[in-house]
Amino acid sequence: DADVTQTPRNRITKTGKRIMLECSQTKGHDRMYWYRQDPGLGLRLIYYSFDVKDINKGEISDGYSVSRQAQAKFSLSLESAIPNQTALYFCATSDLGTSGGITDTQYFGPGTRLTVL
Amino acid sequence: AQSVTQLDSHVSVSEGTPVLLRCNYSSSYSPSLFWYVQHPNKGLQLLLKYTSAATLVKGINGFEAEFKKSETSFHLTKPSAHMSDAAEYFCVVGRGSTLGRLYFGRGTQLTVWP
Repeated sequence: DADVTQTPRNRITKTGKRIMLECSQTKGHDRMYWYRQDPGLGLRLIYYSFDVKDINKGEISDGYSVSRQAQAKFSLSLESAIPNQTALYFCATSDLGTSGGITDTQYFGPGTRLTVL
Repeated sequence: AQSVTQLDSHVSVSEGTPVLLRCNYSSSYSPSLFWYVQHPNKGLQLLLKYTSAATLVKGINGFEAEFKKSETSFHLTKPSAHMSDAAEYFCVVGRGSTLGRLYFGRGTQLTVWP
């Protein structure tokens, strides 16, 4: 079984709808991240969480919210979806942030392709 | 501040010829550097990681990258391309702080011709 899973894998929705993307991990990591990928732009950080009680905004958090329900679960919500939120969304986890000056590896889920019409 | 520039958005090679994907970085800290690969309709997979232990880093599937501080570069190479190497490759820099954030380049699409 995959260590980081995302549901759904594909979703088509309409403008104004509320959408939730879910991420679960079995790696036992404390840190979880949500990114979006747009063609030619790489990945950009939306939100990140260092533990259940700690949630932080990333570069592009406007229009998104998150919930860390447990160490293993981190959900991303679009309260009122708009077409420019059409993208590929990735969840990632890591064990540590930076230790001894070395940034920890992040492990990615398979992605959710979201289309907002 | 941290940033990553991938110098080529597309690279095409013939099967069996060398691969070179170029990456320059800037970092206020001693950087952690990564290369990730994304095959079509797949998630991101770690190819290799530089953590200052050695300047030449060997990764999976025959890839390697060399950290050159004087040139602020971390280019990815492979001696002989295989059809299965066709994918998008991302150069990534880690912020040298407890936050552990990653900063992604825009990606290089590698095409391998038979």
